[in-house]
Amino acid sequence: AQTVTQSQPEMSVQEAETVTLSCTYDTSESDYYLFWYKQPPSRQMILVIRQEAYKQQNATENRFSVNFQKAAKSFSLKISDSQLGDAAMYFCAFFGNEKLTFGTGTRLTIIP
Amino acid sequence: EADIYQTPRYLVIGTGKKITLECSQTMGHDKMYWYQQDPGMELHLIHYSYGVNSTEKGDLSSESTVSRIRTEHFPLTLESARPSHTSQYLCASSEDRVRGYTFGSGTRLTVV
Repeated sequence: AQTVTQSQPEMSVQEAETVTLSCTYDTSESDYYLFWYKQPPSRQMILVIRQEAYKQQNATENRFSVNFQKAAKSFSLKISDSQLGDAAMYFCAFFGNEKLTFGTGTRLTIIP
Repeated sequence: EADIYQTPRYLVIGTGKKITLECSQTMGHDKMYWYQQDPGMELHLIHYSYGVNSTEKGDLSSESTVSRIRTEHFPLTLESARPSHTSQYLCASSEDRVRGYTFGSGTRLTVV
């Protein structure tokens, strides 16, 4: 069974600064996908960024980028130029065979 | 626009009542999922379906039941609601693991 660990229950960052959210996972599979999802307060869960395990290049989506270290089973999310709208719960997720396995989430607060 | 819809958005109901939480998607996805999200925001898979007439229990034991008579519809039913069922319920669908999940807006259920 896969496990996903987010060791930072809460993080805060000054507006316009950069923050990194940590995620590690454990699996015996070699072919899988990794995701970061964002859940703003009382709003829909949305996909932030995805990474294919077979790709060495780190995924980037505008201000969001990942640091994927396959050997270390690490998948951190970097948010650059943080904005007030980035305040949310962030979930790291692993998709192996048929289902997503989620981490416990990191609550990100943006300080104006 | 293709999407996934959950109704109602909020529901307050008395103990012992039967309730059905609706989830519909217009994307033609075969795979659909129900998650229970606890106050700490952790996500627990309670039911999933890989297609019509296919339903399975998830990782967290739940007194709820589901059905999948049509591809687009995946309702969740509680025969007799109890205060312990108070939670947020998220529905999701998936085409394949490349794209991950698309989530509905959730139903926040309060049983009094």
